[in-house]
Amino acid sequence: QKEVEQNSGPLSVPEGAIASLNCTYSDRGSQSFFWYRQYSGKSPELIMSIYSNGDKEDGRFTAQLNKASQYVSLLIRDSQPSDSATYLCAVIDNAGNMLTFGGGTRLMVKP
Amino acid sequence: EPEVTQTPSHQVTQMGQEVILRCVPISNHLYFYWYRQILGQKVEFLVSFYNNEISEKSEIFDDQFSVERPDGSNFTLKIRSTKLEDSAMYFCASSQNRDNEQFFGPGTRLTVL
Repeated sequence: QKEVEQNSGPLSVPEGAIASLNCTYSDRGSQSFFWYRQYSGKSPELIMSIYSNGDKEDGRFTAQLNKASQYVSLLIRDSQPSDSATYLCAVIDNAGNMLTFGGGTRLMVKP
Repeated sequence: EPEVTQTPSHQVTQMGQEVILRCVPISNHLYFYWYRQILGQKVEFLVSFYNNEISEKSEIFDDQFSVERPDGSNFTLKIRSTKLEDSAMYFCASSQNRDNEQFFGPGTRLTVL
């Protein structure tokens, strides 16, 4: 059974702070890793993709991947109240093209 | 910016009835997917579709479910005889390539009474 695990939160950070979201996955053969943002009642919105070990930056977002530790993280710099949402970690293994999602971490950014 | 669209946004049906959920994937994408999310639970994979055939399906996608690409733009999910437990948000997604970024539509909320 392929598992993707996230702390459900809520993670509460003050406006302007760095939010750090973490995810672990069970399938060592996983190749592609994604972070989605989901507002309540809405669909997942792709924020970041990462395919190789190390960091990938896009604006205020940085994704970090460590395949040896089976660990993916997302850093959000200068957090804004509009960043308040549930952040979903998702993984594709090398056998298929289906996304396996974690349960999500709820982020609350307080003004 | 191209996006995945879905209709209807909300579908209410009686148990045992057939429903068809419709999706228009992004035009140059080749891989299409259906996922569902029961309220308060994880997003779950149902099926992937490529080159006019199912490429992968989950245990949830049993004989009551089917998918079709009836023309060059639409991608549909049919549930033949709905059950109460089919009530969920159903998301269509598409991607250019296998293992690539998947973009989700706004979803159809299915309520089975």
